[in-house]
Amino acid sequence: GAGVSQTPSNKVTEKGKYVELRCDPISGHTALYWYRQSLGQGPEFLIYFQGTGAADDSGLPNDRFFAVRPEGSVSTLKIQRTERGDSAVYLCASSRTSQETQYFGPGTRLLVL
Amino acid sequence: KQEVTQIPAALSVPEGENLVLNCSFTDSAIYNLQWFRQDPGKGLTSLLLIQSSQREQTSGRLNASLDKSSGRSTLYIAASQPGDSATYLCAVNPDSNYQLIWGAGTKLIIKP
Repeated sequence: GAGVSQTPSNKVTEKGKYVELRCDPISGHTALYWYRQSLGQGPEFLIYFQGTGAADDSGLPNDRFFAVRPEGSVSTLKIQRTERGDSAVYLCASSRTSQETQYFGPGTRLLVL
Repeated sequence: KQEVTQIPAALSVPEGENLVLNCSFTDSAIYNLQWFRQDPGKGLTSLLLIQSSQREQTSGRLNASLDKSSGRSTLYIAASQPGDSATYLCAVNPDSNYQLIWGAGTKLIIKP
């Protein structure tokens, strides 16, 4: 079956712009996660959704970052007033329940110039 | 605070060799530990998951061990192949919830 997909695969933007990153989880997976990975580092947790609600957004670095999952499936990570330090690979993962294996998408590579 | 360390950061070995990747964690109270593989431009693929009550898990040429008391896990790869070249990350699940604590990974290169 289809895995987790993320679009776009690459995004180049200018400092100060707004970007949206999309994640399509595996069908039927109620849990969805966003991570950020900088070069040479492991993923850093950003936010976890259970269904439509953000069960834990403690990893979001500041209020420029926001994520939604309005119908409990597709999720969008939104970054306002982008900064060069936001450049990273943004990974999305989903799992059937929060205690089961997380399946990762290929990531969106964001470059802020 | 749980911290996960992977050493070395990079490893290069000739094809056919057996090798061991290391992962250490500071707090032995874990729920499970996972090994992932990451290929350039691709997502993370779960290789093996070891529950806290288990000592090892095997899948094909891969064997992962867990020693909670010493805060260590190893990933053993037998008869390495060039296709095994990737970055290998370990992640600790502290307490049965969703939050994984990640190591920085070991970049493995298998030379033909």
